[in-house]
Amino acid sequence: GESVGLHLPTLSVQEGDNSIINCAYSNSASDYFIWYKQESGKGPQFIIDIRSNMDKRQGQRVTVLLNKTVKHLSLQIAATQPGDSAVYFCAENNKAHAGGTSYGKLTFGQGTILTVHP
Amino acid sequence: KAGVTQTPRYLIKTRGQQVTLSCSPISGHRSVSWYQQTPGQGLQFLFEYFSETQRNKGNFPGRFSGRQFSNSRSEMNVSTLELGDSALYLCASSLVSGIIQETQYFGPGTRLLVL
Repeated sequence: GESVGLHLPTLSVQEGDNSIINCAYSNSASDYFIWYKQESGKGPQFIIDIRSNMDKRQGQRVTVLLNKTVKHLSLQIAATQPGDSAVYFCAENNKAHAGGTSYGKLTFGQGTILTVHP
Repeated sequence: KAGVTQTPRYLIKTRGQQVTLSCSPISGHRSVSWYQQTPGQGLQFLFEYFSETQRNKGNFPGRFSGRQFSNSRSEMNVSTLELGDSALYLCASSLVSGIIQETQYFGPGTRLLVL
């Protein structure tokens, strides 16, 4: 059959606004979460990460919030700039069912397209 | 410190052929993971190598294979190419500290087109 592309959520903001990008994860055993930014024609670029023993972590202009109760992750970008326009992915590290670590395997969300208008 | 490098950046092959992609990790990183990115499936994990051993594998057919060399450089091979193998193949490297997942840093990818 014909393949259907992923329909990525989109977020459009004005330059200078704050942006919030959300991500739901499914594996309650995941203990490590990362946000990546991917610009057209490039590989994913690391933004910020957080481990499950934390619920908030701040970087330069970015904050990641983790709510393990509802399995929700968010990325907040302060004073969004046109250069922030990209696709943003959340990723989680799933533990193997056997209880061991899942070496090197990140499971990615579908991504969110962020467009910043000057 | 130089980032993750991948070669070639672009590749065009025909169905039935095989292809080998190369990845050089960040200096000091010993874990290399490979991912396939397509518009239909997004980013999917292929496999991970550490100390020349495959430690983890995703749900891909046996046509997809890889290896890692003693200098941590890695290659992945796809045999008997199919149209659906057209994708961006991404390599990511990370430090290793026991069983703790460390940050993965990605290369620019190899864009493979199968005709």
